[in-house]
Amino acid sequence: GQNIDQPTEMTATEGAIVQINCTYQTSGFNGLFWYQQHAGEAPTFLSYNVLDGLEEKGRFSSFLSRSKGYSYLLLKELQMKDSASYLCAVRGDDYKLSFGAGTTVTVRA
Amino acid sequence: ETGVTQTPRHLVMGMTNKKSLKCEQHLGHNAMYWYKQSAKKPLELMFVYNFKEQTENNSVPSRFSPECPNSSHLFLHLHTLQPEDSALYLCASSQGRGTGDEKLFFGSGTQLSVL
Repeated sequence: GQNIDQPTEMTATEGAIVQINCTYQTSGFNGLFWYQQHAGEAPTFLSYNVLDGLEEKGRFSSFLSRSKGYSYLLLKELQMKDSASYLCAVRGDDYKLSFGAGTTVTVRA
Repeated sequence: ETGVTQTPRHLVMGMTNKKSLKCEQHLGHNAMYWYKQSAKKPLELMFVYNFKEQTENNSVPSRFSPECPNSSHLFLHLHTLQPEDSALYLCASSQGRGTGDEKLFFGSGTQLSVL
């Protein structure tokens, strides 16, 4: 089976940096995704990593280490609108996406 | 706006009712999915359709019945549900190429409460 772990909740201050970790144990690996989901809204795609290293996209960056089964999503210069749930998902060798339970980030003024 | 529209947004039903959830995608995708999202739990894949053919049924009870009349529309027919079926039901679509980088586009979901 697939096992994907991420913290349940994180709180940070506006303007700060928050790092959301995700560890995974899956049957094979064909990429790791991060999605953002605001309350009552659709999850939306943030990033995709398949090779080791850092992918930067504006204020958001995602890192992958395949040998460690580890990824993180880095949110810089936090804004109130970044308060949301962040979902880590891994595509295994069956090409299905397995999701973590999500990390709820609360940004305080 | 993700290009995937779900109706209704909220649904309350009794255990003896029959209802249907509807999903429509305007992205020209060939694959469509139903996921169940319960509080504090990972998204659970329920069904997958690729080019209108069901390619995945993830051991879902028969009280959930999917229908995919064409590549743009997906339904989830519900009957004799249980209170534990209360959850957010998310529809998603993707291109259907079967590659590792294929992204899912989600609808906003139907929040279902079974009384």
